[in-house]
Amino acid sequence: DTGVSQDPRHKITKRGQNVTFRCDPISEHNRLYWYRQTLGQGPEFLTYFQNEAQLEKSRLLSDRFSAERPKGSFSTLEIQRTEQGDSAMYLCASRPDSGTGYGYTFGSGTRLTVV
Amino acid sequence: GDSVTQMEGPVTLSEEAFLTINCTYTATGYPSLFWYVQYPGEGLQLLLKATKADDKGSNKGFEATYRKETTSFHLEKGSVQVSDSAVYFCALRDTGANSKLTFGKGITLSVRP
Repeated sequence: DTGVSQDPRHKITKRGQNVTFRCDPISEHNRLYWYRQTLGQGPEFLTYFQNEAQLEKSRLLSDRFSAERPKGSFSTLEIQRTEQGDSAMYLCASRPDSGTGYGYTFGSGTRLTVV
Repeated sequence: GDSVTQMEGPVTLSEEAFLTINCTYTATGYPSLFWYVQYPGEGLQLLLKATKADDKGSNKGFEATYRKETTSFHLEKGSVQVSDSAVYFCALRDTGANSKLTFGKGITLSVRP
């Protein structure tokens, strides 16, 4: 296990299309987070999973966004009917429930461009 | 809600110059504080952290001290190198059960030879 993997690295889509991103966390990490980073800004929290349960969603996560983590392993983030304002870097992070405490590990992100 | 404020950038320094990047925060309770670094084309990497007041985090020559009285966590390095060129983010971890991170806007550091 070399870290958090995100796929794809880049995605260009036309406005109105649906897109789905995948995150594979470190296998022993129970907690998984999605963040969005726009140009010139820091990452903003979108949603959080503990195992398969989605425990918190930000107000930033409109009805067009949905995230899942079936079986508490990988997670997917889907955006329906994309808008130009959705263009951003989508980051995934994971950490263990206990032990190393603050060991968040971030993936390299998926950069979405909506044209 | 929680927030993190970083000084405006970008910052350009000559190699071996002294670096200070200011960070202040607003939070309830006693958050943990972090500095993350993002090198070009790479993901966020933890640079250092501090979990309680007066703790000093340090790594790779960088230091930051958790100052509760001024709600600050300024990043310093005595002598920067070209390889330190990156974007630096200050962040706090809230005290809630979900322990999500709240980030500042980040600041771009460019170090010229």
